[in-house]
Amino acid sequence: EAGVAQSPRYKIIEKRQSVAFWCNPISGHATLYWYQQILGQGPKLLIQFQNNGVVDDSQLPKDRFSAERLKGVDSTLKIQPAKLEDSAVYLCASSSQRGLYNEQFFGPGTRLTVL
Amino acid sequence: GDSVTQMEGPVTLSEEAFLTINCTYTATGYPSLFWYVQYPGEGLQLLLKATKADDKGSNKGFEATYRKETTSFHLEKGSVQVSDSAVYFCALRGNTGKLIFGQGTTLQVKP
Repeated sequence: EAGVAQSPRYKIIEKRQSVAFWCNPISGHATLYWYQQILGQGPKLLIQFQNNGVVDDSQLPKDRFSAERLKGVDSTLKIQPAKLEDSAVYLCASSSQRGLYNEQFFGPGTRLTVL
Repeated sequence: GDSVTQMEGPVTLSEEAFLTINCTYTATGYPSLFWYVQYPGEGLQLLLKATKADDKGSNKGFEATYRKETTSFHLEKGSVQVSDSAVYFCALRGNTGKLIFGQGTTLQVKP
């Protein structure tokens, strides 16, 4: 079974530029998550989708971050414009259901450097 | 709000040494507790979990026991290998359903 796929693996941009990350979850997984992991910290949930609907985006900086999950499968996370403090690894995860006990499977992440 | 605190790293051990990584949590209700591992260049992987008090999670020689009285979930392994070198994250999932992670502890095992 293929795991969670993410691209690109690395991205370097100048501040104020825009950037987009792509995630393809495990086939059949209805729930998709985007996390931000700043160096030296644990991952922090940005947004959670159930199929193509948003369940929780309370920690998403909506003035510059946006995310969508068209057709309830793959997802894109966009930052526009980027700031220096957005430098982090962006992790995508998926699970088969939204329940409390369903394991989340993580992708390898996209490392973003904002100069 | 809910939170997780891990011992600071890096932790450097010789092969076959005993490992303990401390983890304590703050949460309302009865959270589920997890340890995730992140090997270099790879994504987070679930290492073990416990869903109620006194449960012991175990996998690949690692163990952790859910201690509600001390709000702890310490990770242990009796004999570490070089291949165990990674970053270890303690996490909880509480009433909100969100995963809350600690800051991570880097383990380096030397031959």
